[in-house]
Order: sequence, then C-alpha cells, then structure tokens
Amino acid sequence: DIQMTQSPSSLSASVGDRVTITCRASQDVNTYLAWYQQKPGKAPKSLIYAASILQSGVPSRFSGSGSGTDFTLTISGLQPDDSATYYCQHYSVYPVTFGGGTKIEIK
Amino acid sequence: QVQLVESGGGVVQPGTSLKVSCAVSGILFSSYVIHWVRQAPGKGLEWVALTSPDGNKHYIDSVKDRFIVSRDESETTVYLQMNSLRVDDTAVYHCAREFRGSGRAGTFDVLGQGTKVTVSS
Repeated sequence: DIQMTQSPSSLSASVGDRVTITCRASQDVNTYLAWYQQKPGKAPKSLIYAASILQSGVPSRFSGSGSGTDFTLTISGLQPDDSATYYCQHYSVYPVTFGGGTKIEIK
Repeated sequence: QVQLVESGGGVVQPGTSLKVSCAVSGILFSSYVIHWVRQAPGKGLEWVALTSPDGNKHYIDSVKDRFIVSRDESETTVYLQMNSLRVDDTAVYHCAREFRGSGRAGTFDVLGQGTKVTVSS
C-alpha cells in the first residue's frame, strides 16, 4: 500500500497568515491527490482534487500543488473558519490511502 | 441536494455482526460508485470498501472475508454487513459518493456524517 505522510501534524497560526501543509507519498502517485477538511463531529469536506483543482465553492485562498511524491496545501490569508484538520489522500491505485492529518488551530 | 445519511451503528461484542446503512438521495443513485470510509477514535481516515453500479466490489485487506458491501437500487441505499467484528473495527463509518470529475476513480466529493460502531467486550 502507498503510505501518505503529512507534516506538520499540528500547527497554530494567526488570522491572515499564509499556512502550508506538506504531504509525501511513498511512491509516485502522479497528480492523483486530493485534500479534505474536517471539523470536529462533521463529515470530511472535499477541497481539492488532481493535486491543484479546487472543488466548486471552495474559497480561492486554498491552493494545492505538486506531483509525483511531494504535495502542498496552502491557505493564503488564514480565516477563523479554517480551524480544522486537513487530510491528503492519494487515488492512484487501490487501496486509496490518507495522510495522518494536520490540525490547524487559530491563535 | 445530495444527501448521504448513515444509520445502524451501535455497541457490539467482538466476534458478532452488525449491518450499517447509507441512504442516498438527491442523485441518480444507479450512476454512482459509493464507498465506505471509516475513522477510528482520534485517528485519521481509512478507506474500507466500494460498490459500483455494475456490481464491482472492492475491499481493504483487513476486512476482506468479513465485510460485505451491497446496494439496493430500489431503496437507493448502500449497506455494509460487518461480520466477525474486532475491537480495531471500532470507528465512525462514513459513506461517500465517488467524485466523477477527477478523471480517475477513488476520490470523493460528498461524505455523510457517519454512524458510530463500537466493538467492545
């Protein structure tokens, strides 16, 4: 199975900050990489697919980049509503697997 | 509006069975692959199984031969029959609609809130 490693596991940042989360795959997944946001007690929400394409309705402050094994999720201008845990997921082959998550706290 | 609503979770003993459901509305059910994704307490997300309209089913190795995924087109509902349950199957089970716009299978655009399954003696 392909292992997905996210870093950091948690971070604290201020409103307006630029925040970057990294996700590394244990083998090449091309651009078959998605990002999700999850708030406590809620269903995960799809943010990005194909490494860099925003789902409909996702604010433009979110962006994704990367290909192969190294990917990033960037939030440009952190907002209070962005407090959540973020997961990457590859869908290159089955089983699809997720990263361990990055919890973002607003200072 | 697309809705996936899970039900049927509960507390069961190791070695027993439980069947959870995912009621789907707001979409042409017969056109979509539906997945199960679970989340153990305080842990990350784990893909479990999928069922496709053409009858294809696929499972993660740890549940093969124990879990059975099925779908009822008339009820627009997906089921996950879980047998020989183990303590490490304890999780919130979410169903998810496969996203068809990515050009490749295996990612999701809508997930339900989940149903909690606790396996404990």
